Amino acid sequence: AQSVSQHNHHVILSEAASLELGCNYSYGGTVNLFWYVQYPGQHLQLLLKYFSGDPLVKGIKGFEAEFIKSKFSFNLRKPSVQWSDTAEYFCAAITNAGKSTFGDGTTLTVKP
Amino acid sequence: NAGVTQTPKFRVLKTGQSMTLLCAQDMNHEYMYWYRQDPGMGLRLIHYSVGEGTTAKGEVPDGYNVSRLKKQNFLLGLESAAPSQTSVYFCASSLTLAGGEQYFGPGTRLTVT
Repeated sequence: AQSVSQHNHHVILSEAASLELGCNYSYGGTVNLFWYVQYPGQHLQLLLKYFSGDPLVKGIKGFEAEFIKSKFSFNLRKPSVQWSDTAEYFCAAITNAGKSTFGDGTTLTVKP
Repeated sequence: NAGVTQTPKFRVLKTGQSMTLLCAQDMNHEYMYWYRQDPGMGLRLIHYSVGEGTTAKGEVPDGYNVSRLKKQNFLLGLESAAPSQTSVYFCASSLTLAGGEQYFGPGTRLTVT
């Protein structure tokens, strides 16, 4: 069965600190990987996605993620977080048949 | 463009009552999805549709039915609501199936007492 694991449930950082959120997926076939963000009171928005090519993908607002096939990982990074990055972050895997699986989410709190 | 809209935004039901949640998108997307979001459990796929007139089961389909009679609408029905169905329900749509971005609606907060 397909699954997505996010290692950290709640991360608290000070502004300008670096961020790395872990995501591991489990699936035997080809998956397409996504990171979504949900700001307080808003709906989910796409941060970035990977389905082929360069394993280092860049998204909006300075976020990037690296796909490491050997580790089944797709970790999200940002070199310097801002207070406005406070949100919940979801990793997702979608098979070519369209079946999507989301991780449990990581709540990021950035202290000003 | 309104994007993805959901009706209603909030609803309180008694156990055993029925209701239908409506999702509409104006982006001419082929694919639509219904998720539920529960604290600490992320989003779980209930049902999805790969085109008008088609539906498929997701991870947690029991207790829900769906219909996609028109391309722009995707309805989620609860025939006999249970307290375990208290959740926030999100609808999403996408242009392509696997590699495409899913656009999410604002959510419907449902409480079953």
